[in-house]
Amino acid sequence: GAVVSQHPSRVICKSGTSVKIECRSLDFQATTMFWYRQFPKQSLMLMATSNEGSKATYEQGVEKDKFLINHASLTLSTLTVTSAHPEDSSFYICSARIDRNTEAFFGQGTRLTVV
Amino acid sequence: DQQVKQNSPSLSVQEGRISILNCDYTNSMFDYFLWYKKYPAEGPTFLISISSIKDKNEDGRFTVFLNKSAKHLSLHIVPSQPGDSAVYFCAAKAGGGNKLTFGTGTQLKVEL
Repeated sequence: GAVVSQHPSRVICKSGTSVKIECRSLDFQATTMFWYRQFPKQSLMLMATSNEGSKATYEQGVEKDKFLINHASLTLSTLTVTSAHPEDSSFYICSARIDRNTEAFFGQGTRLTVV
Repeated sequence: DQQVKQNSPSLSVQEGRISILNCDYTNSMFDYFLWYKKYPAEGPTFLISISSIKDKNEDGRFTVFLNKSAKHLSLHIVPSQPGDSAVYFCAAKAGGGNKLTFGTGTQLKVEL
């Protein structure tokens, strides 16, 4: 199947700093990428949907100024957690799909710990 | 508000037997349902899906059943194999939209 690579897989950062997470589709062009967050013992929650070349659409309750999403090319989307706080510590995972008629493929996720 | 629920956090089954994973939903607008499988340190992998116009979809050892009136779906794996041991997520979406709503997952362990 198609491969989505997410980097880094783990990151620890200090409170107040920013962290960038990359999501790449390695063998296909992704018109749409999705960013999810998962807190312990909870389900994956969609944060935002991004289409290449346009602004991301954020879900209700997700601060767009805090979670900056860039989808500058058909193979790369980035999520930047700005001014991170300990409560932002979570598992962040992206997915990417070719078009509306195909299922999305997930990256392996990024474990963010803010200390 | 958990719109997709997987009430069993874990399930243990013997190799060769049937594994049945259950999922309930509350939003009647959901019309497309998916199952994903996740190994540790990997992202979820799409397994099988079903549209609300069907009540069953089969793919090899995997069958998904949908009971719309009960707002319930289940994933059957038969025969279960040790390599099936993973976390299984149920997900749903509505009206051809992008948003997938996930359950909390069920950890399946297939024992020898």
